[in-house]
Amino acid sequence: AAGVIQSPRHLIKEKRETATLKCYPIPRHDTVYWYQQGPGQDPQFLISFYEKMQSDKGSIPDRFSAQQFSDYHSELNMSSLELGDSALYFCASSLVGTRNEQFFGPGTRLTVL
Amino acid sequence: QKEVEQNSGPLSVPEGAIASLNCTYSDRVSQSFFWYRQYSGKSPELIMSIYSNGDKEDGRFTAQLNKASQYVSLLIRDSQPSDSATYLCAVRSWAGNMLTFGGGTRLMVKP
Repeated sequence: AAGVIQSPRHLIKEKRETATLKCYPIPRHDTVYWYQQGPGQDPQFLISFYEKMQSDKGSIPDRFSAQQFSDYHSELNMSSLELGDSALYFCASSLVGTRNEQFFGPGTRLTVL
Repeated sequence: QKEVEQNSGPLSVPEGAIASLNCTYSDRVSQSFFWYRQYSGKSPELIMSIYSNGDKEDGRFTAQLNKASQYVSLLIRDSQPSDSATYLCAVRSWAGNMLTFGGGTRLMVKP
């Protein structure tokens, strides 16, 4: 079965640079979520989109923005990167009516030097 | 107090034994509960979901939910070394569809 696709899988950036992470949800899924997982921590919810509209907002820094496009893929844009932004970034997707079972992509490991 | 709490472990069990993982949550109106398995450096993998009080069984896994006690657990029967991973409890409240995770319990199954 098709899974969530994320790209790139690894990304190395310098401080103050920008980064764009991409997420392609499972086909027919209409909701996309972004989570950040720091070393030794559990995933923290950042933001989600349902039918291309922002649905929930969590602890996403103002330096970050995200959107969902007409083909349902989503992009997380990160600017003025800081050392503390180094983490695994997961995208998950779900389908309304399935009790919000969220399936996670393989993640993007971002390293900020 | 964290919204979702788990014992960080490690929980060590011998191969073939039952592993019991526990999770408590603070929001009484939480609606949906999930268990994810996460291997080091990999993404969380959904293994069980439960929405109403009682037990739900799927193969070697049984999830138990007690809303009155705000408690959810996961039992793994016939534990295998390949079950060694961190198990994350996740809760969805009425306020939104986002998941709040507990800190995870590291399970070690020894051959």
